[in-house]
Amino acid sequence: AQSVSQHNHHVILSEAASLELGCNYSYGGTVNLFWYVQYPGQHLQLLLKYFSGDPLVKGIKGFEAEFIKSKFSFNLRKPSVQWSDTAEYFCAVIFRGSQGNLIFGKGTKLSVKP
Amino acid sequence: ETGVTQTPRHLVMGMTNKKSLKCEQHLGHNAMYWYKQSAKKPLELMFVYNFKEQTENNSVPSRFSPECPNSSHLFLHLHTLQPEDSALYLCASSQERVEVMAKNIQYFGAGTRLSVL
Repeated sequence: AQSVSQHNHHVILSEAASLELGCNYSYGGTVNLFWYVQYPGQHLQLLLKYFSGDPLVKGIKGFEAEFIKSKFSFNLRKPSVQWSDTAEYFCAVIFRGSQGNLIFGKGTKLSVKP
Repeated sequence: ETGVTQTPRHLVMGMTNKKSLKCEQHLGHNAMYWYKQSAKKPLELMFVYNFKEQTENNSVPSRFSPECPNSSHLFLHLHTLQPEDSALYLCASSQERVEVMAKNIQYFGAGTRLSVL
């Protein structure tokens, strides 16, 4: 079955620490990849996306993600987190043949200590 | 704001009540989606509408009944719900529901927090 795994349920960092959140997906075919962020009480917001081309994708707010096809991974990174990055982060995948349906991971809650 | 508005933001209902959730998008999109977000579980796709036609029902119990009168509005009618139906219900829209990549980007509303007593 098609699935998306986010390995970390809750990550706690201090400000200025570097961030890497893991995301792996189950399928070896063509995929579209997304990271969404949900700040407390707010809507899911698209951070970045990968469709094709350069596997290193830059998003908003200093986030980036790298698509590694051989590892079925799309990890999210940020060199230096801020308190305002405290939120829940969701990896999502559209698998070829799914007619555009997004499959989400369970999410990773990030808490940044000031 | 994403251009997708959901009302109400919070809803408390008894198991015998009937209520409706509303979603409206101002993005000119043609596809709309209902998701259920429960704690510690992935977002679950419930229903998909494309050009007002229901194209997906993800084995959702009949106590949830969607309605899409036009491409801008989506409703979720609720009746005789169970406590385990308590969750955040999210609406999303995209340009279309197709394999073409750029049209698949989904924009989400802030959700309705539903509590069933």
